[in-house]
Amino acid sequence: GQQLNQSPQSMFIQEGEDVSMNCTSSSIFNTWLWYKQDPGEGPVLLIALYKAGELTSNGRLTAQFGITRKDSFLNISASIPSDVGIYFCAGRSSNTGKLIFGQGTTLQVKP
Amino acid sequence: EAGVAQSPRYKIIEKRQSVAFWCNPISGHATLYWYQQILGQGPKLLIQFQNNGVVDDSQLPKDRFSAERLKGVDSTLKIQPAKLEDSAVYLCASSLNVPGLAGGETQYFGPGTRLLVL
Repeated sequence: GQQLNQSPQSMFIQEGEDVSMNCTSSSIFNTWLWYKQDPGEGPVLLIALYKAGELTSNGRLTAQFGITRKDSFLNISASIPSDVGIYFCAGRSSNTGKLIFGQGTTLQVKP
Repeated sequence: EAGVAQSPRYKIIEKRQSVAFWCNPISGHATLYWYQQILGQGPKLLIQFQNNGVVDDSQLPKDRFSAERLKGVDSTLKIQPAKLEDSAVYLCASSLNVPGLAGGETQYFGPGTRLLVL
């Protein structure tokens, strides 16, 4: 089946540092979504991207929909302790319409 | 606006027992999804409803899992009998599902039900 490769699997950074994570696929997607999941909670939508090349910001978060429609990245600038959590990318397949999730990037921020 | 509600939040059962989870989506959301999230992985779709009809249940293990959304609002997911490998977080999500509207298909998740099968 279709898969998303999300990297890195985990990150341990110092407070104030910038963070970058990405997702790639062998298939074309028409929507890319980035979610954050805190322990014991469901994923919360951070950013939604609908057009190839689209660059969207939400506070300190910036995400881009890759031109090839097969990848997306998420950047977090000036990280703070509350950024800790698991970040998931999700892509909606152009073929099936299904939403497929990456494996997640676990972020730890050291104060 | 109230979010997606799920209950119970936690459940511990023994293998071969039955269990049921309940979900109440965001008001007005036509589409409801049930996902299974195994520890260390992303959510995997089990079943998708559009109003009270099933749109996609291709990844639902139908020999033991069942789900219904009889009145097109809230939904229940049942496992009977449970196996050890069913231990996971079961997430419910809902969306407006308005084709052509940016964000109309964006899914909003509930807090999940954490199931442990012993």
